[in-house]
Amino acid sequence: QVQLLQSGAEVKEPGASVKVSCKAFGYTFSYYFIHWVRQAPGQALEWMGKIDPDGGSITYAQKFQGRVTMTRDTSTRTVYMELSGLRSDDTAVYYCARGELHHNDYWGLGTLVTVSS
Amino acid sequence: DIQMTQSPSSLSASVGDTVTITCRASQSIGPYLNWYQHKPGQAPNLLIYSATNLQTGVPSRFSGSRSGAEFTLTINNLQPEDFATYFCQQSYSARTFGQGTKVEVK
Repeated sequence: QVQLLQSGAEVKEPGASVKVSCKAFGYTFSYYFIHWVRQAPGQALEWMGKIDPDGGSITYAQKFQGRVTMTRDTSTRTVYMELSGLRSDDTAVYYCARGELHHNDYWGLGTLVTVSS
Repeated sequence: DIQMTQSPSSLSASVGDTVTITCRASQSIGPYLNWYQHKPGQAPNLLIYSATNLQTGVPSRFSGSRSGAEFTLTINNLQPEDFATYFCQQSYSARTFGQGTKVEVK
């Protein structure tokens, strides 16, 4: 069945970078975009961007332009999201989600990133 | 950016009740509104896509409707496993989400 397996929790200092992985199982990797969404404590979900595993085209949310980098490795069926210049308000659970054209049908369990000195 | 206003932020209900949750978009988004259920420690679960379409495997007590830029999720005959947080998502332009509605036991 379709699964998105995310990497484990991270603790980072302010100013550092974090790289979260999302490995896909159970479907043709190249057929679906992967979206990244985060949820800070007590806040709504926030869309960060998406990547097309087939060809690698990327769209970033304007808020994260210049700080986020999404990449993919087709040989391992893995997508990565790297966020740089971390601040305390980047503390959140980061989700990857498979993208149909107008919805996200499968999500990972999330990766908690804590930014603290 | 398109803003999604979801209400209520929380509600209390009993097993067997009918529950309604509403999302209003700041501009026209056509039918491109999705509903998800989210339980702590689990992945969000797609319930309804494009306003009214029931995702495969989701019980028929869940339904969605649309009136212009206002969308409603209805849960009929609330079951114990339905106590969770529900959120809406617009997919007309990028993605934005409602604030979520926590359905709690009365």
